[in-house]
Amino acid sequence: NAGVTQTPKFRVLKTGQSMTLLCAQDMNHEYMYWYRQDPGMGLRLIHYSVGEGTTAKGEVPDGYNVSRLKKQNFLLGLESAAPSQTSVYFCASSFLGGRNQPQHFGDGTRLSIL
Amino acid sequence: AQKVTQAQTEISVVEKEDVTLDCVYETRDTTYYLFWYKQPPSGELVFLIRRNSFDEQNEISGRYSWNFQKSTSSFNFTITASQVVDSAVYFCAPYNQGGKLIFGQGTELSVKP
Repeated sequence: NAGVTQTPKFRVLKTGQSMTLLCAQDMNHEYMYWYRQDPGMGLRLIHYSVGEGTTAKGEVPDGYNVSRLKKQNFLLGLESAAPSQTSVYFCASSFLGGRNQPQHFGDGTRLSIL
Repeated sequence: AQKVTQAQTEISVVEKEDVTLDCVYETRDTTYYLFWYKQPPSGELVFLIRRNSFDEQNEISGRYSWNFQKSTSSFNFTITASQVVDSAVYFCAPYNQGGKLIFGQGTELSVKP
């Protein structure tokens, strides 16, 4: 009964380092999303994917890259981390992309860039 | 452009009080779906309910109820007989015309014993 799993849960990076956040879902969902949440704000969409092998930009894509090589996995990469990318990152998935589809979220990854 | 507003930033109540969280969605769409999520202090996001704009019937699930008023584009969420475990940030989130879920700023509910 895992749902959406994010790894790691916490990470501290130095400016300029790179890292990849992994999201895995076991619900056979087509759509997957990456969001960031900053203090006192709702979530903002970074990138999303409508199916295996596809990705698209969201509201705040700069500084991030994504890949969806397998249907169940959606990776978020930071090539050169900056302090402005300190945030909590959430992955989500939905069965389809229709506007009646709830998105199911992982527990989040807390990322600090020093 | 679409805009979702949760005017209440913080609400504090005493246990067993009823509390209503407001959400207003401004859009030119005539039909749309809106979702409520709960984010407890542990940080995860929990899907609570999906409501649509063409059904103005109240929906009740245990101590939770949701009311949609089309005339004011208001989707309000009421917790009856609040409990300490209800303490969380609550987000309303509609899909915009581009098919993306957009989040309000959230309402932080604190239920004190």
